[in-house]
Order: sequence, then C-alpha cells, then structure tokens
Amino acid sequence: SYELTQPPSVSVSPGQTVRITCSGDRLPKEYGYWYQKKAGQAPKLMIYKDNERPSGVPERFSGSSSGTVFTLTINGVQTEDGADYFCQSLDTNGTVVFGGGTKLTVL
Amino acid sequence: EVHLVESGGGLVEPGGSLRLSCGASGFTFNSYTMNWVRQAPGKGLEWVSSISGSGLYIYYADSVRGRFNISRDNAENTLFLQMDSLRVEDTGIYYCVRDGNTIVVTADYFDFWGQGALVTVTS
Repeated sequence: SYELTQPPSVSVSPGQTVRITCSGDRLPKEYGYWYQKKAGQAPKLMIYKDNERPSGVPERFSGSSSGTVFTLTINGVQTEDGADYFCQSLDTNGTVVFGGGTKLTVL
Repeated sequence: EVHLVESGGGLVEPGGSLRLSCGASGFTFNSYTMNWVRQAPGKGLEWVSSISGSGLYIYYADSVRGRFNISRDNAENTLFLQMDSLRVEDTGIYYCVRDGNTIVVTADYFDFWGQGALVTVTS
C-alpha cells in the first residue's frame, strides 16, 4: 500500500528554523496536509493543500511541495511548537494515508 | 463554533462489539463528509472510514473493512461507528473528524476534530 515517509524525530533550538519532510510517490498528483498533535489533545490542521494556512495558525508555519517531497517549515520555532507532526495525503479508491509522524523537540 | 463530541468508548474483549457516536454542532452537518481517524497507543494516526454528507458514499481502510460500519443520522447531526469482531490491535483513541472539502464525496483532509473516545480491546 501507499506510504508517506517522515523522519522519526528532529530537534531545534528556540528561534531557529526547522523543516520537516514527507516523501511519497503520489505527492506530485495529490495535495499534502500537515497536522500537529500534542499529548492529550486532538490533532490540529496546520497546513492544507500543500501551502495554505488555516485561520488561527501562526504565520511562522508554512508548507511547500516539490516533486515527491512535501515540507513543513517553522520559522522562529517557539517552545510551544514541540509536538508530533503528521503529514497526510490521498491514496487510491477514496482512502487516506498518513505519514508515520515526526517528533519535534525544541531544546 | 464547530463542536464534535464522541461517546461510546470503553473496554471490550477480543471478538466483541462497540458502537461509537459523535454529536456534531456549529455547522450544517449534512453538507460535510465525516470521518473516523484513530491513534493506537504510541503509534501514528490512521484513517479508519469516511461517509459522504448524504450517506451514499462510504469508504473503509483495509484494516477494518468487513468489521466496521460507518453511518450517520443527518436529522440528529450524529455520526456512528459500529465496530464488530474487535481485535487487540483496534485499541486506541478514535476521533470523529469533519472533512475540510465540501465538494468531493470522498475523504480529503480534516479540519475539525473531536477530543476522541478511548477503545480498549483486551482479554
């Protein structure tokens, strides 16, 4: 079945920029989406349709897509951004696929 | 304001059944495809099933097809997930999720999430 591949973890210092990648063969044909998941909370949509930001999501979060790689960029990382981040796209026949998740640690 | 509230989770033995419900408010329920997404302990997110606004188009993940049944009552603004033949690997938090695309009848992306219902399958 179709898979989206993310790095298991990334670390960054406050104020720095971090990029989290998501790779998948169908990404050139399908949009990518990003969710933030903190412990004990429901996931939150952070980026939709590759690079659109929902209302209320800070401007430091942005998304981009190039070929088979989709990237979430956080500029000026804050300690509150520490969380798990999951990418998502569409598989065939009306089904959905998530990446395995990336744990962002803000040191 | 969009509100999604799950209920019906609990402890069940392997082979047993549970029915999850999700009450929705703050939006025109029958205009949106709705989904169930789960997260097993220590694992990632897994899409489970989707149902179009009319209820006519239904999709399942391979891992639950034939065991789970999604349905909705648009008059009551409620989404359901009937889970039969439950397995240990079905353990997790089940989220009721609104789809962000109001045009297509399949799942697309997830803009509002409930707080989740815990399902534990154990002997």
